[in-house]
Amino acid sequence: QSALTQPRSVSGSPGQSVTISCTGTSGDIGGYNFVSWYQHHPGKAPKFVIYDVSERPSGVPDRFSGSKSGNTASLTISGLQVEDEGDYYCSSYAGNSFYVFGTGTEVTVL
Amino acid sequence: QVQLVESAGGVVQPGRSLRLSCAASEFTFNIYAMHWVRLAPGKGLEWVAVISYDGTYKYHAHSVEGRFTISRDNSKNTLYLQMDSLRAEDTAVYFCARAYRGAWHYFEYWGQGTLVTVSS
Repeated sequence: QSALTQPRSVSGSPGQSVTISCTGTSGDIGGYNFVSWYQHHPGKAPKFVIYDVSERPSGVPDRFSGSKSGNTASLTISGLQVEDEGDYYCSSYAGNSFYVFGTGTEVTVL
Repeated sequence: QVQLVESAGGVVQPGRSLRLSCAASEFTFNIYAMHWVRLAPGKGLEWVAVISYDGTYKYHAHSVEGRFTISRDNSKNTLYLQMDSLRAEDTAVYFCARAYRGAWHYFEYWGQGTLVTVSS
């Protein structure tokens, strides 16, 4: 169960868009559409922002969107806002009731 | 508002044991699967274990299999993680998380986490 690979950091100015990639294998991302994303501010509880690759839970702004192609999933934050700063993690079902997270990406709003 | 509150962690010597608990409130605990997830210093999130709504099914990550055991007491609305034979690499903030609706695959609500440090 190797961690999914994410860029260490991405940044953008307010109002811009940023995209975070999450690369796995055919045993996780490529094999299932059970990809989710989480926002985490250190010291706080992580927040659930995307599920089923591209669905948003109730209350999550529509500037958050997700997609998947092959073994790579992506999270795009459009119209970047200061409160979007934080760490973002992808997650995927990996079969046999196992789950795997990404290495995490720090988003900085310039 | 869903509430998940982990018990205090602490410093534990290598090879010793510790039991974490997670008190759930403001939702019907006995109809949701529950997870434990950890965040080690300088690393990313790592899934640890999941338990079905009634405790029948339990799965643990390979990294903790045979040493950690997830359990729950639905009469007390509480989730547990029994951690035995602790190692330095188990040092992490441990979060409990509620699964999303009927799907085990997502972590909808999380606690604030509790720090466990394994050190002599």
